[in-house]
Amino acid sequence: AQKITQTQPGMFVQEKEAVTLDCTYDTSDQSYGLFWYKQPSSGEMIFLIYQGSYDEQNATEGRYSLNFQKARKSANLVISASQLGDSAMYFCAMREGTGGGADGLTFGKGTHLIIQP
Amino acid sequence: KAGVTQTPRYLIKTRGQQVTLSCSPISGHRSVSWYQQTPGQGLQFLFEYFSETQRNKGNFPGRFSGRQFSNSRSEMNVSTLELGDSALYLCASSPEPAGVNSGANVLTFGAGSRLTVL
Repeated sequence: AQKITQTQPGMFVQEKEAVTLDCTYDTSDQSYGLFWYKQPSSGEMIFLIYQGSYDEQNATEGRYSLNFQKARKSANLVISASQLGDSAMYFCAMREGTGGGADGLTFGKGTHLIIQP
Repeated sequence: KAGVTQTPRYLIKTRGQQVTLSCSPISGHRSVSWYQQTPGQGLQFLFEYFSETQRNKGNFPGRFSGRQFSNSRSEMNVSTLELGDSALYLCASSPEPAGVNSGANVLTFGAGSRLTVL
């Protein structure tokens, strides 16, 4: 089974609208971290936002917020007031731990977001 | 502050050859991780180094190896290249190895090295 599932391969959104990118995850660990990264066409991965499994409040970073629903194992990214520069691939990722150490990030397949003027 | 620098940015090799990719982390960052990105498999974790020691390794064959130097710079090597090794190889650094449930030490990625195997 996939550890990170992003069900939207592509999305078109009008500029200035809010957009929600879906992410569900699968883990049996109690302690884990969830991340969202943005990858423009240049290839560089840009960190957007982080949510820890024990964090009680949803994370926010400027126009980005993470809608964390632990019971549903869901960690959707919400971008408010989208801009043309938001057009990019968006990846949801998870970090789990085994034996007390942290593993590498497990990424979803990504969502290609295109903002239309 | 300079970001994560990866060299070369682009390279072409033929099957059977070997390749070495280099990564210079952000100044002061001591942990370096490597990821492979392909259209078919997506982003996959290769390995993580800290203090010249490999801390974690992903599910890749032994042809993939890496090392870290005392100045935290890292190299990865792929021997006996196969067509399927064509990918974007991303390096990421963080001040320390990331804890499982911690927002500290978030990975900062470089622009990647795009390898084409013919």
